[in-house]
Amino acid sequence: DSGVTQTPKHLITATGQRVTLRCSPRSGDLSVYWYQQSLDQGLQFLIQYYNGEERAKGNILERFSAQQFPDLHSELNLSSLELGDSALYFCASSVAATSGYEQYFGPGTRLTVT
Amino acid sequence: QQQVKQSPQSLIVQKGGISIINCAYENTAFDYFPWYQQFPGKGPALLIAIRPDVSEKKEGRFTISFNKSAKQFSLHIMDSQPGDSATYFCAASTLSSNTGKLIFGQGTTLQVKP
Repeated sequence: DSGVTQTPKHLITATGQRVTLRCSPRSGDLSVYWYQQSLDQGLQFLIQYYNGEERAKGNILERFSAQQFPDLHSELNLSSLELGDSALYFCASSVAATSGYEQYFGPGTRLTVT
Repeated sequence: QQQVKQSPQSLIVQKGGISIINCAYENTAFDYFPWYQQFPGKGPALLIAIRPDVSEKKEGRFTISFNKSAKQFSLHIMDSQPGDSATYFCAASTLSSNTGKLIFGQGTTLQVKP
């Protein structure tokens, strides 16, 4: 158990809908990351927050947004969902902002768009 | 230039054998190279990492070999065990970017036969 929790575990929704994925980082970790894992794209970095502020952005679509709250939990919002958004979404956390620190991954949220 | 290319896509090794997974990168700014291990239904977990100031790092049965001039690095798993059967991802990042952004390879599915 990495100490990172993600909810829900599974999510099935229809095209055009909006969903919110939630992540609670390990106690004491200030950085939260979101990754998308799919068979064709592999593991892709989406976005990083550090202590409430956006720190880095990757291949995140404009239809997707995220935020980190004062209690350090984070939410990833996916809107106008398309079939191609079906994937595993991982949240990770680390104590500091830079990549030299281990990132602890949660168990993931499996999103299925029908 | 942001890509990390990983090979092979899949690998079958007999118990006790050596598993070798290779990665190559283009961006010379990369200076941190972790390997992550992922079991089915779980998030990735850090296995071992290396910085380019050393050519090799060993932790137990796992060794990273790094060739800076060739821009290649590889993971060697000695005395491979069935419990090592998992998907392995190499990754790369730039420490000076002051972000945790990791660029992952496509992954290698390792099966160790008893």
